[in-house]
Parts: sequence; C-alpha cells; structure tokens
Amino acid sequence: DQQVKQNSPSLSVQEGRISILNCDYTNSMFDYFLWYKKYPAEGPTFLISISSIKDKNEDGRFTVFLNKSAKHLSLHIVPSQPGDSAVYFCAASPYQETGNQFYFGTGTSLTVIP
Amino acid sequence: GAVVSQHPSRVICKSGTSVKIECRSLDFQATTMFWYRQFPKQSLMLMATSNEGSKATYEQGVEKDKFLINHASLTLSTLTVTSAHPEDSSFYICSARFLNTEAFFGQGTRLTVV
Repeated sequence: DQQVKQNSPSLSVQEGRISILNCDYTNSMFDYFLWYKKYPAEGPTFLISISSIKDKNEDGRFTVFLNKSAKHLSLHIVPSQPGDSAVYFCAASPYQETGNQFYFGTGTSLTVIP
Repeated sequence: GAVVSQHPSRVICKSGTSVKIECRSLDFQATTMFWYRQFPKQSLMLMATSNEGSKATYEQGVEKDKFLINHASLTLSTLTVTSAHPEDSSFYICSARFLNTEAFFGQGTRLTVV
C-alpha cells in the first residue's frame, strides 16, 4: 500500500516559470516531510524538509508547503532552471521515532525547457 | 551537507557469486542506515533498516539470508548480495542519518548480474 503518492509522473515547465510538484500521504502519523532530487544513476540529494508544526519552509528558490488537514504537500521551484530537470521524490516519516524509515513517493520527473 | 559515500558505483558479477556494497558516512555518525533498491521508473523501496551494533530489520519480502547487512560501526554499513542472480540486477542506494535528522544518500550502486 503506497502511503506517499505523487500522482504526476512527469511535469514540463518553461525556464523562469514556477514548477509545482505535489505529494499526498495517507498516514496521519507522518509529521516530518522531505523532498529529494535525483539524477539518473545517482543517489537522491536532500533538498528541503518541513515538520508538521510548520505550514511553509523556504530555502532559496525552493519552498515546501504543508497542508496537514488535506494530507498534502507541495514543492515550489521559482524561477525554474534547466539544471532543475531531475526526478523529485517526496518522503515522509514519523519524526519522533529515532531511526524510523522514510516512505517515498514514486517520483515526478521534472523537465525545465530552456 | 553531510557526505555519504557508497562504493562501488557500478559492478558486474557472474550469476552465483556474491557482491559487497559499502556505505560510509564521512563526516557524521550514522546511528541508522537504510538500504533501498530502485527498479526503473519506480520508487525507492526500503529493503532494511540497521542501527549500529544491532541486527538489521528487514522489510517484508526481503530475504535476509540473501541480502546480508552489517552495520558494525557508526560510519560503515555493508550490503552483501549473496548468490546473485540476474533478477537481483538493480540500483541499490544506502542512506544514513544521525538520530532524527534528515537522511543523506549515497550515490548508489548499479548492480548487473550476468
């Protein structure tokens, strides 16, 4: 059972525009969320995280929004750059449990068109 | 950010042989390490979780006798694929975290069994 879902397998955006990647989760015990970026044949790299006490976290061009009531989070990239083209995974974890695993979505492949 | 080194990045082995993959946290103590497997166009699938000095906890459906995990120190975990078969060919990724911080990933290992 997929507890973290990314319903859009791919997204294309023009350079300079905003990219919005969405993620939904089903487990109400999740209270720590992360976004990772992955290039082919490489491991994921951490982008940004948010805990459930916040509804927004911003880091440069990347902003993550969390809507706990809807069990939904999104990653906004603005302005989008060609180097942002990669697969983006969202992940969720019950933060309070030491060493607990992350549950990953299936990823969204972002293509930023120059 | 923190660095996790995974070695080798690519390995080709003959069917029936064993392959060892190393995962090292270079600048922090990894209280927990995770091993994932990724099939093409699919999410990262957690194979096992290991806490330093303890036996690994395997996810359902993962053969513990086939995928041997050792986490003998706070900076090193190894995954040994024993008696490898072509269906074991995949992309294996480790991640490491210190307590409840975000996890950092290795660069992954592309295993091809011929």
